[in-house]
Amino acid sequence: AQSVAQPEDQVNVAEGNPLTVKCTYSVSGNPYLFWYVQYPNRGLQFLLKYITGDNLVKGSYGFEAEFNKSQTSFHLKKPSALVSDSALYFCAVRDRRSGGSYIPTFGRGTSLIVHP
Amino acid sequence: DAGVTQSPTHLIKTRGQQVTLRCSPKSGHDTVSWYQQALGQGPQFIFQYYEEEERQRGNFPDRFSGHQFPNYSSELNVNALLLGDSALYLCASSNYRINTGELFFGEGSRLTVL
Repeated sequence: AQSVAQPEDQVNVAEGNPLTVKCTYSVSGNPYLFWYVQYPNRGLQFLLKYITGDNLVKGSYGFEAEFNKSQTSFHLKKPSALVSDSALYFCAVRDRRSGGSYIPTFGRGTSLIVHP
Repeated sequence: DAGVTQSPTHLIKTRGQQVTLRCSPKSGHDTVSWYQQALGQGPQFIFQYYEEEERQRGNFPDRFSGHQFPNYSSELNVNALLLGDSALYLCASSNYRINTGELFFGEGSRLTVL
């Protein structure tokens, strides 16, 4: 079984400050990890993924995420938040062993609000 | 390069009715997955289609059924609609052989059941 926890329903940050959106996961084997963003009344857009290699992954719009195997975490970060970053963020995990039937599990989402 | 397209974007039905939602995958993709996203929740997996067959299914009743056509497009059918079926239904496409690939989502079909 695989699962994702996003412990914060909402994160508030001032524009220009760094932001962190937290994610922890549980899988039987090694994980593939993803972050997606959803703007109001839109579908999900892919931000970044961790497959293997460097624990710090860089993605779209200046976002990055750090994979920490010992803490089973994959927190999303950005050095300087923009008001336009305000959206709903979803973490997703997939067991690396699950083969071609690609079925990730999504977290409940975290609403990021960036204040001017 | 067209992304994932879904139709209709919005629809309103009454309890007991049936609905069909449609999805065309991103060019080059052969796999379609459907998700239900209730208000304030993350996407919940309904089922996945590849080579015109249902390959995986989530914890949804038989009222939810689907189909995939030879051109890889897909339909989601929901029978005997309940109020609780009100949600955003998302279609996501991928390539079956690229295990590390991310999903590409459509804009969704927002279903309201009255």
